[in-house]
Amino acid sequence: GESVGLHLPTLSVQEGDNSIINCAYSNSASDYFIWYKQESGKGPQFIIDIRSNMDKRQGQRVTVLLNKTVKHLSLQIAATQPGDSAVYFCAENTGSNAGNMLTFGGGTRLMVKP
Amino acid sequence: NAGVTQTPKFRILKIGQSMTLQCTQDMNHNYMYWYRQDPGMGLKLIYYSVGAGITDKGEVPNGYNVSRSTTEDFPLRLELAAPSQTSVYFCASSWTSGREETQYFGPGTRLLVL
Repeated sequence: GESVGLHLPTLSVQEGDNSIINCAYSNSASDYFIWYKQESGKGPQFIIDIRSNMDKRQGQRVTVLLNKTVKHLSLQIAATQPGDSAVYFCAENTGSNAGNMLTFGGGTRLMVKP
Repeated sequence: NAGVTQTPKFRILKIGQSMTLQCTQDMNHNYMYWYRQDPGMGLKLIYYSVGAGITDKGEVPNGYNVSRSTTEDFPLRLELAAPSQTSVYFCASSWTSGREETQYFGPGTRLLVL
């Protein structure tokens, strides 16, 4: 079935470097995407979202890029800090009639080395 | 606001036992959701509710039941616990169904079925 997936299960970066976390989606009907951060023992926390009529959206130290042509989503974290260490999930709103539920990817673990 | 709260934080059940996982939100959100997260995996939707008195199945509803008697509460019931239900359970809420409205998650309930 159609699903959201991630290319890299684990990403290790040096403190201060930029991080890029990637996500592929296959449902062309998806029109809304969200990135969540999940720290150990906690629930997912909203980071940033983007609508399908946009290709880039920036927040504080984070940028989400959407490439609808190749169905690819990425999260860029500038000047990565130890507090950014977590698992990052992308999620898509599939736009189905069943309440427009979110479909989550498998997650990427970001490890920040001091 | 406390946001989304869940109880208990952790529970061990024997096979065949039953229990209710509690979820409460104080944001007056109309939509609420239950997810399960298996180790190293993304979130799978169990049940959701679009408002008091209305519930519907998600991706993995077998073995669970829900009710929504009030806007604030959305308990999840396990009638006959099985080892396959060992997981971390997250409750979430949102203003609408997820389309351009992010879901806010609780801290989770870790369940171990032995």
